[in-house]
Amino acid sequence: NAGVMQNPRHLVRRRGQEARLRCSPVKGHSHVYWYRQLPEEGLKFMVYLQKENIIDESGMPKERFSAEFPKEGPSILRIQQVVRGDSAAYFCASSLDGYQPQHFGDGTRLSIL
Amino acid sequence: KQEVTQIPAALSVPEGENLVLNCSFTDSAIYNLQWFRQDPGKGLTSLLLIQSSQREQTSGRLNASLDKSSGRSTLYIAASQPGDSATYLCAVILPGGSNYKLTFGKGTLLTVNP
Repeated sequence: NAGVMQNPRHLVRRRGQEARLRCSPVKGHSHVYWYRQLPEEGLKFMVYLQKENIIDESGMPKERFSAEFPKEGPSILRIQQVVRGDSAAYFCASSLDGYQPQHFGDGTRLSIL
Repeated sequence: KQEVTQIPAALSVPEGENLVLNCSFTDSAIYNLQWFRQDPGKGLTSLLLIQSSQREQTSGRLNASLDKSSGRSTLYIAASQPGDSATYLCAVILPGGSNYKLTFGKGTLLTVNP
């Protein structure tokens, strides 16, 4: 029974490059959430997706950030033209339905040089 | 806007001591409240989930209580062990529609000294 799998665990990018973070939810879970944990900050909600649909992206910056959860394959969080302020731990969670407990992955630690 | 506050920010106790971690939230109309544990460099492990209609949940040495009217929850850890050292996070979900996002506190960093 694999839990939420995120890769890569660590990602280093230079300013201006693109970062792609992947998340495979628990088998059978169709709800995926992305959260960001900035240094010295708590976890903040970014986006909530169901298969092929973005349900709530109220926590996602309007520019450079996008997310998808295709019918087949993992959910992807994409950050274009990264800046130093994007350095953070990005966590993915999944659940069976909206009010069931969310199961978290180990996160991707993004570092921007 | 829902805000979640955890006190204290850090706590250091000797092994064997019983301890209480506090969580408060500004909007009492929550659907449920969840306590998590986060180890350094790791993700979050769910410890206890309390539905809004419940007053408490227990798992082993852990007991979480919920007082919706006052906007408070406590996590009680009995007979603490060095392995309990971690950051403990409290998070709430508001009811309604597709509002399933968790709102987190900043956590309490617990150190249990042998």
